[in-house]
Amino acid sequence: DGGITQSPKYLFRKEGQNVTLSCEQNLNHDAMYWYRQDPGQGLRLIYYSQIVNDFQKGDIAEGYSVSREKKESFPLTVTSAQKNPTAFYLCASRKKLADYNEQFFGPGTRLTVL
Amino acid sequence: KQEVTQIPAALSVPEGENLVLNCSFTDSAIYNLQWFRQDPGKGLTSLLLIQSSQREQTSGRLNASLDKSSGRSTLYIAASQPGDSATYLCAVREYGNKLVFGAGTILRVKS
Repeated sequence: DGGITQSPKYLFRKEGQNVTLSCEQNLNHDAMYWYRQDPGQGLRLIYYSQIVNDFQKGDIAEGYSVSREKKESFPLTVTSAQKNPTAFYLCASRKKLADYNEQFFGPGTRLTVL
Repeated sequence: KQEVTQIPAALSVPEGENLVLNCSFTDSAIYNLQWFRQDPGKGLTSLLLIQSSQREQTSGRLNASLDKSSGRSTLYIAASQPGDSATYLCAVREYGNKLVFGAGTILRVKS
């Protein structure tokens, strides 16, 4: 099956801890994205990567970090510097032959800070 | 800065009704517009993608239109079913590779 997988589905973090959310895709997509979703709000872009070993900040990058060492993987680390990390995190990918391509999403990870 | 607005925020209809969801955006410089469906606690499922040069796209009971010059898109759902109950999100792809999302319309179809 081709698609995007995210793990874990649920994640609990104590204040002051860093946690890493996994995102893997086997669609051979070039671009990958991380979004945050809060209740009643649209998705907000955290980071994105268009090619291996390169990534750019989105609208709300503070307190987050990413890496793109392999084309199929784009992990997101939520650091202790993120003041309000409780949210639903969505990973997405897109084949970047051109800017008109469709974007696909993974099933999400719900992060709760205890 | 691009802003995407979806109206209504929530909608409840009886089964079988035809309905329209609205999406407006402030900057017409877009590559395309994408409609998604999101079930509670799940990721987004792509429904329709309309390129900036297109006027509409259809998939089954769904029809999406785009009027780029006026900054509007509509998603038409024919003969609604309880299984259509979900949150519907629209998003525009700006020049520069970003998708900008609306807050969504929560749809409930009553049986």
